[in-house]
Amino acid sequence: DAKTTQPNSMESNEEEPVHLPCNHSTISGTDYIHWYRQLPSQGPEYVIHGLTSNVNNRMASLAIAEDRKSSTLILHRATLRDAAVYYCILRGYLMDSSYKLIFGSGTRLLVRP
Amino acid sequence: DVKVTQSSRYLVKRTGEKVFLECVQDMDHENMFWYRQDPGLGLRLIYFSYDVKMKEKGDIPEGYSVSREKKERFSLILESASTNQTSMYLCASTSGTRRDTQYFGPGTRLTVL
Repeated sequence: DAKTTQPNSMESNEEEPVHLPCNHSTISGTDYIHWYRQLPSQGPEYVIHGLTSNVNNRMASLAIAEDRKSSTLILHRATLRDAAVYYCILRGYLMDSSYKLIFGSGTRLLVRP
Repeated sequence: DVKVTQSSRYLVKRTGEKVFLECVQDMDHENMFWYRQDPGLGLRLIYFSYDVKMKEKGDIPEGYSVSREKKERFSLILESASTNQTSMYLCASTSGTRRDTQYFGPGTRLTVL
């Protein structure tokens, strides 16, 4: 399985944008890029995913490099509730039914008031 | 909203006990997963199931078994609990068709003494 590399931690000020990077230089052509986050004492929750084009939803934006070897999760205005561990995950388009996710250690985002 | 519930948030058991962790989802999802989460190791897949009575081993199945008698319920069984199975256990589910998003439960923190 292709691997992702993320910084261990990042800090941001409240109300400011946050750019969380992820490197995935061995990504294959059919790998989707997924982002999940895990708030303290909770299970992970889905944030966003994409394949080639940039994606936006109510939670965040995902910017994917043209060569797909890296991506950036963008939180447009960080709030204290965004303090969490953010996971960047590659998931292949599998023909079987496993659809398992491989979580790395993620980036711990600290948001300062 | 999709809801994945786990039978206990915290559980304390003794070495050698048989332990049952229950997971229930209310969205008629075909696929269900059990992960464990440990500091520095991220989430690791123990078992998954893509249909009633079907199960497949994940990356670390040793010491665990599972049961899926009904579509909405997926149980993780520790046949003889050991101290190295002290961990956070997370259940997740995903649709058979919309497989992009995994929905996680809140987790069960198991301590084996």
